[in-house]
This record gives sequence, C-alpha cells and structure tokens, in this order.
Amino acid sequence: GNSVTQMEGPVTLSEEAFLTINCTYTATGYPSLFWYVQYPGEGLQLLLKATKADDKGSNKGFEATYRKETTSFHLEKGSVQVSDSAVYFCALTSLRGYSTLTFGKGTMLLVSP
Amino acid sequence: DTEVTQTPKHLVMGMTNKKSLKCEQHMGHRAMYWYKQKAKKPPELMFVYSYEKLSINESVPSRFSPECPNSSLLNLHLHALQPEDSALYLCASSQAGPTGEKLFFGSGTQLSVL
Repeated sequence: GNSVTQMEGPVTLSEEAFLTINCTYTATGYPSLFWYVQYPGEGLQLLLKATKADDKGSNKGFEATYRKETTSFHLEKGSVQVSDSAVYFCALTSLRGYSTLTFGKGTMLLVSP
Repeated sequence: DTEVTQTPKHLVMGMTNKKSLKCEQHMGHRAMYWYKQKAKKPPELMFVYSYEKLSINESVPSRFSPECPNSSLLNLHLHALQPEDSALYLCASSQAGPTGEKLFFGSGTQLSVL
C-alpha cells in the first residue's frame, strides 16, 4: 500500500534560516504529492502540490520537487519567518479516487525571532 | 467563497449524549469528507461522500453516523461515544474527479467525550 515518511520533529530554527523537511513515499503508480500546513487550532491548508515527476510546486516561498528516482518530495524555504511556525504534513493521493490522502506523521516547525 | 465552515468549534459531551457536527461548503464541490485527528497525529479518513452518496467508510464504528442531506451540507451524528473518541474532527471537500484534486479543509470541531 501507499505510505509517506517524514522526518521527526520538532524542527527548531531561527528566523531567516534555511528550511528543509524531508519526505519520502512508497506508492504504486504515479500519485500526486502534496504539502499541507496546519497552524495551531486550525484545519489543514494546501501549501503546494505536484502531479508528475520533476514537477516543482511552490507557494509563499516554499518549494518541493517531485523526484521519482528517489521517491522524495522534500519541502524547502530559503528564509523562514516566525509566522511559518506550524505542523507540516506531506501527503499523497491514494489509489481509491476522491482525492483521499495518505498523510505522513507531520513535522512541527518552530521558528524563533 | 473558498471556505468550508464547521460548527460547533468545540463540543463537550457525555457518553450517553447524542450530538451532531455540521459542515457546509458553497464551492460546488461534489465530494465531501470526514477526517479524525488525534493530538500530534495526522488526519485519518473516516468517510467520503460523492454526489451525496456514501462512497467510502473506513470501518468506522456505528456510533458515528454520517449524513449528506444535499451537495452543500455534511453532518456527523454522534451517539454513545467513548472517551477515546475525543479528537479534532475535520471536514473537507473537493471536486469529485480524478485523484490529485485539492482538498479544502474546515477548521474542525474539537470534541471532548467525558
């Protein structure tokens, strides 16, 4: 079956530091890949997505590239802000349609001033 | 309007109570979802409705009863819950199409079962 593995958190950074959150996946076929973000007390928001190999998703300074050869979709940002503190979930679409998602366990990011 | 609205935001109930969670969207989405999220865990899929018909039930106990009265509304009826059912319940919607469609999530209902 499909699965997503994310790096353990929390990731603690100072403002303006470079961010990488690793995500690897196991899937049959060609799933779409997503990063969702969850701020405290809120639901999940789509941060970015990629639907095929070598696609790069980007939004709000965050980027991730769909790497089929390494089955990875690592999230990066060049300069984090305090407001980026949240939990980040890597996810992929399942084989069952209706956009059902398989999530990784989530990585908490804490950015200090 | 790109919002999914969930009510109530917080709910405390006893194990003998009956309550309902409500979810509403006006984006014309024809697929709606219930997810359950325990603290510090990822969301877990419970139910999927497509065109107002239940399409996926992830072996959820019968004390959770979903309902989709129309294409904009999704309810989750709760009865005889257990303390371990305490969690954040998230509603989501998407276009009912091939996989890869974006899910829009509500802010959730934080449920505590005493």
